[in-house]
Amino acid sequence: EAGVAQSPRYKIIEKRQSVAFWCNPISGHATLYWYQQILGQGPKLLIQFQNNGVVDDSQLPKDRFSAERLKGVDSTLKIQPAKLEDSAVYLCASNSRGTSGGAGYNEQFFGPGTRLTVL
Amino acid sequence: SQKIEQNSEALNIQEGKTATLTCNYTNYSPAYLQWYRQDPGRGPVFLLLIRENEKEKRKERLKVTFDTTLKQSLFHITASQPADSATYLCALRGNAGNMLTFGGGTRLMVKP
Repeated sequence: EAGVAQSPRYKIIEKRQSVAFWCNPISGHATLYWYQQILGQGPKLLIQFQNNGVVDDSQLPKDRFSAERLKGVDSTLKIQPAKLEDSAVYLCASNSRGTSGGAGYNEQFFGPGTRLTVL
Repeated sequence: SQKIEQNSEALNIQEGKTATLTCNYTNYSPAYLQWYRQDPGRGPVFLLLIRENEKEKRKERLKVTFDTTLKQSLFHITASQPADSATYLCALRGNAGNMLTFGGGTRLMVKP
């Protein structure tokens, strides 16, 4: 089966500009996650979707970050405006178990990530 | 506060030896703990999951232990190979919700 697809793979922007990332999860996976991974650190969850609803966005900086998954499949993550400290790899992951079954207990399938550099 | 700690220093070992990586946590009561492998420029790849009522789990050359009293998981790679060189991440579910929290990872270098 095809893996999690993300685009673009790399993006360089100036601070205060806007940027958007796209993710296409594995077909049939109801749960989708966006992570931020700063160099030398582990991934940090930004937002978790179950179908097209938000399950957890407690760590999403909502003053500048937004995410949507309108049709319960693809998702976009936007940063507006970007800051220098947003430079990181943005990872998308998906898995098939719903929250009632404990999606966090099951393996997550990650995409290759988008490396964002903010100058 | 909740913490997941992995050795931030790289672990260098000789090919054929057993690599042992450590994951310590505080202020968590995880039901499950997962280990992932991450290569440069790629997303993490799932390796093993161990439940709180399991002491040990094996998969080929990999072995994971989970000690909820010590609040520690050990990840072993036996007969290590240069191809095992990567960063290894532990992850566990927090006390609330289904959020998976990752440690900072340990970089393993296996020298031929």
